[in-house]
Order: sequence, then structure tokens, then C-alpha cells
Amino acid sequence: QKEVEQNSGPLSVPEGAIASLNCTYSDRVSQSFFWYRQYSGKSPELIMSIYSNGDKEDGRFTAQLNKASQYVSLLIRDSQPSDSATYLCAVNVDSNYQLIWGAGTKLIIKP
Amino acid sequence: NAGVTQTPKFQVLKTGQSMTLQCAQDMNHNSMYWYRQDPGMGLRLIYYSASEGTTDKGEVPNGYNVSRLNKREFSLRLESAAPSQTSVYFCASMRDSSTEAFFGQGTRLTVV
Repeated sequence: QKEVEQNSGPLSVPEGAIASLNCTYSDRVSQSFFWYRQYSGKSPELIMSIYSNGDKEDGRFTAQLNKASQYVSLLIRDSQPSDSATYLCAVNVDSNYQLIWGAGTKLIIKP
Repeated sequence: NAGVTQTPKFQVLKTGQSMTLQCAQDMNHNSMYWYRQDPGMGLRLIYYSASEGTTDKGEVPNGYNVSRLNKREFSLRLESAAPSQTSVYFCASMRDSSTEAFFGQGTRLTVV
């Protein structure tokens, strides 16, 4: 059974601080990794994708992937109240047409 | 640039009624998906279509049927709705097996 694990939270972070969200996965051959943000009552929207070990930065967001440890994380710098949402981690095994989803981490940015 | 479009956005059904949720994508994606999301839970895959002409069961297929009408459209049918099917339903599409998913705006379904 392929699994993706996330801490459900809520994770409370002061405005302006760095929010760190973590995700572990069970399938060693996983090749594609995604972070989605979901506001309450809305659909998930893609924030970051990462395919190789290391860091990938996009504005205030940095995704980190460590395939040996089966770990992917998302860092949000200079956190804003508008970053308050649930963050979903998704993992794909190439040639498998399904994304495996974590249950999400609820992030609260306190002004 | 519409992306993935779902209809309807809201629906209330009585137990035993049937309905079809419609989904269309204009991104020329090969794969399409139906998920349900219950409060405090992640996305659970109901059915998917890896390519036009194929459909496969996901994690929670019981009580549902799907049709991949063409490359653009993928519908989800509830033949006899049950209160346990009260949920938010999302349609999604992917270009291929290694790329990201794009979601529709969701259908909030209540079965009473």
C-alpha cells in the first residue's frame, strides 16, 4: 500500500516567520512530488512541483526533496495571513496514472 | 482559458435519486479523475481514466459509475444516492502520468 503521510496540524506560525511543512512517502520509486494549497471551500491549486533531489525555489516558497530519506518538505518564507490554508502533498510513481495524496496540514499564520 | 469545468457546483438529492456530475477540460490532457473529499480528510480517488477509452476503479468506487465520453469529458454517475455519498466532489486532469493535476472548482453534494 503506497502511502503519503503529513502532520494534520494545525501548524500555527507568526506572521513574517518561516513555515515548514513536511511529508513522507512509502514508495521508493516515486518520481514526481507536488505541493498543493487548498483554501477552505475551494479546490486544490498547485504551488510547487519537484522531481529531483535538492531544493527548488519559487518566490517565497522552497520545496526540498530527499529521495534517500523519502521526504519532501515545503518552506514558506515571510509567512503572510493569506498563506493560511491546508497544504496537500502528492506523490506520483512514473507510469502510474494515480497521484497518492496526503491528508493535508492545516497552516494558520497569526498576525 | 477555462481549464477544468465541473457542473453543477451545488446539488441536494434525496436518498435513492440519481444524478450525473459533468466534467470537461480544455487542456488536451490525457488523464482525468474523480475524487471525493470529506471534512478533515484528504482526497480519495473514486475512478480515473488514464486515456480516452479506458476507465479504472480507484480507492472508493462503490456506488458510482463513470463514462469517458471523449478526450475532453469525464462524467460521474450516482445511480441511487445514499447519505454516505454526501461530500465534495472534484474532477481533475493530468497531461500524463508524471505531471501535476489540475482541478475543477468542485461540486458540493448533499444527500438527505
